[in-house]
Amino acid sequence: DQQVKQNSPSLSVQEGRISILNCDYTNSMFDYFLWYKKYPAEGPTFLISISSIKDKNEDGRFTVFLNKSAKHLSLHIVPSQPGDSAVYFCAANVAGGGADGLTFGKGTHLIIQP
Amino acid sequence: DGGITQSPKYLFRKEGQNVTLSCEQNLNHDAMYWYRQDPGQGLRLIYYSQIVNDFQKGDIAEGYSVSREKKESFPLTVTSAQKNPTAFYLCASSWGQGSTEAFFGQGTRLTVV
Repeated sequence: DQQVKQNSPSLSVQEGRISILNCDYTNSMFDYFLWYKKYPAEGPTFLISISSIKDKNEDGRFTVFLNKSAKHLSLHIVPSQPGDSAVYFCAANVAGGGADGLTFGKGTHLIIQP
Repeated sequence: DGGITQSPKYLFRKEGQNVTLSCEQNLNHDAMYWYRQDPGQGLRLIYYSQIVNDFQKGDIAEGYSVSREKKESFPLTVTSAQKNPTAFYLCASSWGQGSTEAFFGQGTRLTVV
């Protein structure tokens, strides 16, 4: 039973355009959400997070939106750059629950085309 | 430079042999974790440790063992009982209970030949 779902295994976007990566969750106890970026043969690196008390968090070119009623979050990257090509994992947790409570989605492979 | 170091980056093992993957961190984090990643899959938790000399099973602990004798080190042994050991293994650490983020090492690719 997948509690965090990334339904698009891959996404291709033209350089300079907006990339939108989606994530859905089923566990209503989740109240803290993270995005990790992963290059091949490397460990994931933390990108951006959002708490359930917010509906938007912005960091430079990256913005995460949270729709609690729909149990949906999305990561927007604008403008998309070649170095953004990577696998993006959505993760969810209970605030203060400890990182052992992180539940990951299967990832979306973002490909930025020149 | 603070960080998490996993070694080796690539590891080959013959079927039936145990193998130990190393993970060291100098971030002074209390908690450490081992995850497994398979193609097209998310990260699945194998074992975690919130404090020295204590560890807990994650979602897929069967066929694995760990130890936490030092705060900085959390080695993972893949035993011959693990039926499908070929995978990418990731070690992570965090500040511990109350910390919702994890910081990852570079990973070890284990291949059983």
